[in-house]
Amino acid sequence: GENVEQHPSTLSVQEGDSAVIKCTYSDSASNYFPWYKQELGKRPQLIIDIRSNVGEKKDQRIAVTLNKTAKHFSLHITETQPEDSAVYFCAATTSGTYKYIFGTGTRLKVLA
Amino acid sequence: DSGVTQTPKHLITATGQRVTLRCSPRSGDLSVYWYQQSLDQGLQFLIQYYNGEERAKGNILERFSAQQFPDLHSELNLSSLELGDSALYFCASSQEQIRGQGEQFFGPGTRLTVL
Repeated sequence: GENVEQHPSTLSVQEGDSAVIKCTYSDSASNYFPWYKQELGKRPQLIIDIRSNVGEKKDQRIAVTLNKTAKHFSLHITETQPEDSAVYFCAATTSGTYKYIFGTGTRLKVLA
Repeated sequence: DSGVTQTPKHLITATGQRVTLRCSPRSGDLSVYWYQQSLDQGLQFLIQYYNGEERAKGNILERFSAQQFPDLHSELNLSSLELGDSALYFCASSQEQIRGQGEQFFGPGTRLTVL
């Protein structure tokens, strides 16, 4: 069945450094890849997404890259701040299936 | 506040029992998704409804069922509860921009504890 692998499971960085979280998906038909941030005790919230017709998308300090050939996409956070500390989930879905497959999450800790 | 509401916030029950979780989507959203999040686990997609009709099923147990009503609120029914069903259950709604793809707005979740 469809699967999304996410690495690393935990990541600690110093404030101001960059953080990279990687996901690999199994269904080659997947064409929409959102990233959600879940702060402790709160609901997941979309932070950025990318569609398969685009290789990279940026929004201020956050960027996502997609390699369709390798079935791999990554979240990049630059100039990390303590408020970036949270669990980040990647997901993949295929148009028309209405099923979202989420990764297992990455707990990011930004050390001040 | 995402605009998605879920009740109750907490639910404590015993094994073998049946519970109903309720979700009201954002105004105007026709699509509702249900997810299960166990401790330190990711989000497991359970089921999706659009305008009252079931459209997709994920890893939903046969003991679980859901429906979406004409007013678009949705209920997730969990029966014959087991200890392993203890989890945070999220509902999310979406405007369905492109064939099921678009931002999902999550509710605050219902924390279910089965004793």
